[in-house]
Amino acid sequence: AQTVTQSQPEMSVQEAETVTLSCTYDTSENNYYLFWYKQPPSRQMILVIRQEAYKQQNATENRFSVNFQKAAKSFSLKISDSQLGDTAMYFCALRSYNTDKLIFGTGTRLQVFP
Amino acid sequence: DSGVTQTPKHLITATGQRVTLRCSPRSGDLSVYWYQQSLDQGLQFLIQYYNGEERAKGNILERFSAQQFPDLHSELNLSSLELGDSALYFCASSPGAPNEKLFFGSGTQLSVL
Repeated sequence: AQTVTQSQPEMSVQEAETVTLSCTYDTSENNYYLFWYKQPPSRQMILVIRQEAYKQQNATENRFSVNFQKAAKSFSLKISDSQLGDTAMYFCALRSYNTDKLIFGTGTRLQVFP
Repeated sequence: DSGVTQTPKHLITATGQRVTLRCSPRSGDLSVYWYQQSLDQGLQFLIQYYNGEERAKGNILERFSAQQFPDLHSELNLSSLELGDSALYFCASSPGAPNEKLFFGSGTQLSVL
């Protein structure tokens, strides 16, 4: 079975600072994809960043970057220069090439303070 | 705007009733996914359809069913509703390949009283 674990239910950071959200996963598949989704108070699910497991290079999208450690099955999200608009629930997700299901972690609630 | 449309946005009903949630995927997307988000269970994958055919099944109760129509819109039917079915139900769509991102609708908030 595939699982995604987010061990930090809540995090907080001051505006302009950097914060890292943790995610570990388990899968027996060799081909899979990892995602971070953001859910602001509007409840809309928004893709933040995506990583393909066969790529060693860590994905980056503006202020968002990941630290992908395949052997350790770890996929953390780093948010640099945090902004008030980053306040949201963040979900780590795993999608297997074979099963095609997107499995989510339980989420980390991030609060950015001014 | 993700391009995925879900109706209705809110639904209030009573236990034992049946409801239908509707989803229109983004133009051109063949895959539709249904997810349930509740406070105690998090985001649970329910079911996926690809071009009208069921492709993957998750933690979907027997009281729940879904289908995808020839025009690619999808409906999720929830019957014999219980208090515990109260949740936010998301629909998502994608073109179909596993490496492509899912685009989520804004959800239907179901309240069972």
